Amino acid sequence: AQRVTQPEKLLSVFKGAPVELKCNYSYSGSPELFWYVQYSRQRLQLLLRHISRESIKGFTADLNKGETSFHLKKPFAQEEDSAMYYCALMYTDSNYQLIWGAGTKLIIKP
Amino acid sequence: DAGVTQSPTHLIKTRGQQVTLRCSPKSGHDTVSWYQQALGQGPQFIFQYYEEEERQRGNFPDRFSGHQFPNYSSELNVNALLLGDSALYLCASSTPRQEFYGYTFGSGTRLTVV
Repeated sequence: AQRVTQPEKLLSVFKGAPVELKCNYSYSGSPELFWYVQYSRQRLQLLLRHISRESIKGFTADLNKGETSFHLKKPFAQEEDSAMYYCALMYTDSNYQLIWGAGTKLIIKP
Repeated sequence: DAGVTQSPTHLIKTRGQQVTLRCSPKSGHDTVSWYQQALGQGPQFIFQYYEEEERQRGNFPDRFSGHQFPNYSSELNVNALLLGDSALYLCASSTPRQEFYGYTFGSGTRLTVV
């Protein structure tokens, strides 16, 4: 079955330190992957998407098909990065349904 | 643009009752998806509506039903509420061929079943 795993429920790093939020997926086809973020008291919003290969707010994510991973990285964490981060997989044989990980709460310590 | 609008924000219902949640998609979007998010979990897909038809359904019982109106707004109905239906219900909108570019989410409706 298709699945998205975010192994860390909570990740706490100091400001200025590198950040890596892990995401692993299981899917036999060609996945489209996303990172969504939810800041405190705000709605879920798209952070970045695999298809665009972009960098948003300093975050990047590389799809590694061999390791079935889509880890989110940022070289220097900022306090405003503190939020809940969700990795999501979309597969076309389900009419674009999103399969979500359980999320990782990122806390940036000053 | 108000984005995706959901109502009500919060709702408390008694076990066995029925509830209707509402969603207005972002301007220009015609596809509406509903998700259930239990505390501490990621969202779970309920179903998606396009052209007033249920296009895809997740692993939810028939107690969960929906509707899409000609103006693309949508309702989620849950019958015979159970305590386990307590969750945040999220609505997301998109357009066909734009799903790969991400969905726009509403703030959600927090349903508490007592």
